[in-house]
Amino acid sequence: GENVEQHPSTLSVQEGDSAVIKCTYSDSASNYFPWYKQELGKGPQLIIDIRSNVGEKKDQRIAVTLNKTAKHFSLHITETQPEDSAVYFCAASPLLQGYSGGGADGLTFGKGTHLIIQP
Amino acid sequence: EAGVAQSPRYKIIEKRQSVAFWCNPISGHATLYWYQQILGQGPKLLIQFQNNGVVDDSQLPKDRFSAERLKGVDSTLKIQPAKLEDSAVYLCASSPNREGFTGELFFGEGSRLTVL
Repeated sequence: GENVEQHPSTLSVQEGDSAVIKCTYSDSASNYFPWYKQELGKGPQLIIDIRSNVGEKKDQRIAVTLNKTAKHFSLHITETQPEDSAVYFCAASPLLQGYSGGGADGLTFGKGTHLIIQP
Repeated sequence: EAGVAQSPRYKIIEKRQSVAFWCNPISGHATLYWYQQILGQGPKLLIQFQNNGVVDDSQLPKDRFSAERLKGVDSTLKIQPAKLEDSAVYLCASSPNREGFTGELFFGEGSRLTVL
């Protein structure tokens, strides 16, 4: 099965600086790589995702890059703000595109990164 | 639009007792997932339903865990008998029909289980 490794486990940055979280995956069949943010006492919430036919995707202050050859992908947050403090999870899935039948596509998550934004 | 509803939010039981968690997905979502999140770890998939059928339960400890989604809407996850290592947050998530599926899972706030 899929194995997702995530680093670092804790990341502390000054407000306004950039933060980078890195993940590797093992299964070459994985083709969908989302990032989820989890605040204390809440469920994870999708913040950005990327599919294997794209190398980079950006949404305002967050961006994700994917290197299929090396099987790794990264989350970049620029101009960090206090509300960015949370636990971030990367995940991988063999999401089948364009089909309408049933199928297993549950996400395999990394262990998470606790991002702390220092004022 | 209402999100994924879960109950109870917190439960404390003794080992060897039983417990049940309930989940009501977002209206119209065909796929429902149960995840186990142990403290300090990422969520781990236990079971995935498509409507009322199981499509993946390969990581569900079937000797003690069971789940059902009888009418293809809400779902119940049961643990009997509970062990100390079952202490975790149990997250329910849902996603739309395959035709509308973008990959995003919508999670509830979870049910925190403590086994003493």
